[in-house]
Amino acid sequence: AQSVAQPEDQVNVAEGNPLTVKCTYSVSGNPYLFWYVQYPNRGLQFLLKYITGDNLVKGSYGFEAEFNKSQTSFHLKKPSALVSDSALYFCAVRDDSNYQLIWGAGTKLIIKP
Amino acid sequence: EAGVVQSPRYKIIEKKQPVAFWCNPISGHNTLYWYRQNLGQGPELLIRYENEEAVDDSQLPKDRFSAERLKGVDSTLKIQPAELGDSAVYLCASSLASGRPNTEAFFGQGTRLTVV
Repeated sequence: AQSVAQPEDQVNVAEGNPLTVKCTYSVSGNPYLFWYVQYPNRGLQFLLKYITGDNLVKGSYGFEAEFNKSQTSFHLKKPSALVSDSALYFCAVRDDSNYQLIWGAGTKLIIKP
Repeated sequence: EAGVVQSPRYKIIEKKQPVAFWCNPISGHNTLYWYRQNLGQGPELLIRYENEEAVDDSQLPKDRFSAERLKGVDSTLKIQPAELGDSAVYLCASSLASGRPNTEAFFGQGTRLTVV
């Protein structure tokens, strides 16, 4: 069965430091992986996706994510965090045998000045 | 280009009353989703449309929830009667045809429903 795990409910990072938000997945076919961000009282905004090819994917607002097939992970990263990055981040996966998008529970990212 | 538009943004109703949410997807997007999101949790799919056809409604509580997308464009989600446990944010999203599983969905701002 398909599943997504975001092992950290909350991640705290000081402004200017690098950040990582973790995501691991389980699918039966080839994975398509997505990251979304949700600011307070807002809908979900698409950040980036992995389809195929280069394992390092670059997205909006300076975020990137690294696909690791052997570890079945797709961690979200940013070299230097901003206070405005504070939000809720969701990882999602879909495989090519099932169009249903499976969502993680979300990770709250707090960037402290 | 306009994004996914939802209305209303907020709705407070008494239990047992009906409520309806409206969604207008991005122009040209054939796939439309309705999700429910509880506080601090990920979205939960209620129903997915391909044009006017509901292709996945397995998670829709059909005793009280209904949805329609009559002309394959905008959509309405209804709850009748509402229960206290229906309090949540209802999100609408759209994407190009889901026959391409690598396509991302774009979300509206959601409707926050409070049932009292």
